[in-house]
Amino acid sequence: DGGITQSPKYLFRKEGQNVTLSCEQNLNHDAMYWYRQDPGQGLRLIYYSQIVNDFQKGDIAEGYSVSREKKESFPLTVTSAQKNPTAFYLCASSITAGVGQPQHFGDGTRLSIL
Amino acid sequence: GESVGLHLPTLSVQEGDNSIINCAYSNSASDYFIWYKQESGKGPQFIIDIRSNMDKRQGQRVTVLLNKTVKHLSLQIAATQPGDSAVYFCAENIGGGYQKVTFGIGTKLQVIP
Repeated sequence: DGGITQSPKYLFRKEGQNVTLSCEQNLNHDAMYWYRQDPGQGLRLIYYSQIVNDFQKGDIAEGYSVSREKKESFPLTVTSAQKNPTAFYLCASSITAGVGQPQHFGDGTRLSIL
Repeated sequence: GESVGLHLPTLSVQEGDNSIINCAYSNSASDYFIWYKQESGKGPQFIIDIRSNMDKRQGQRVTVLLNKTVKHLSLQIAATQPGDSAVYFCAENIGGGYQKVTFGIGTKLQVIP
């Protein structure tokens, strides 16, 4: 059964701590994305990767980092530099990053501050 | 900047009736549009998409209409069911090498049994 798996479902961060959110896909998609969802706002792009070993900053990349060492994996690290990390984080993938390819989403990770 | 928006934040519909969810977009360069459904605590689920060279596309119980003249997009759900209760949002895709997608805020659809 193909899809996108995000883990953990819930995550708590202490002050000054970095945390890493996992995103794995078995859809053989080239492109992967990370979004942040806050109440009353549309999804905002954090980082995206068009192909393995390449990634680009999105609209709100400050305080976040990513890697794309494998096609199926695109982990997101929320660093201590991100002062307002509480949000619902969504990972998505698409066949390619070109127009006309819908993005498919995982079920998210909810990050909260302890 | 240009963005995607929705006319109604909450829509209540009687079970069995048709639902219409609207979306206004401002970027005339957008050439691909997607509707997503998001249930509480889950990720968005792709419903249907449409290219700018079309004005209507139908799926199973859903129809998307695109009016480029007034930059308006709508999602019609036929015979709305309780399982349709969710937040629906549209997204626009501006053409180019990278798929820059802008997402709307969403409309909450409540189905009354």
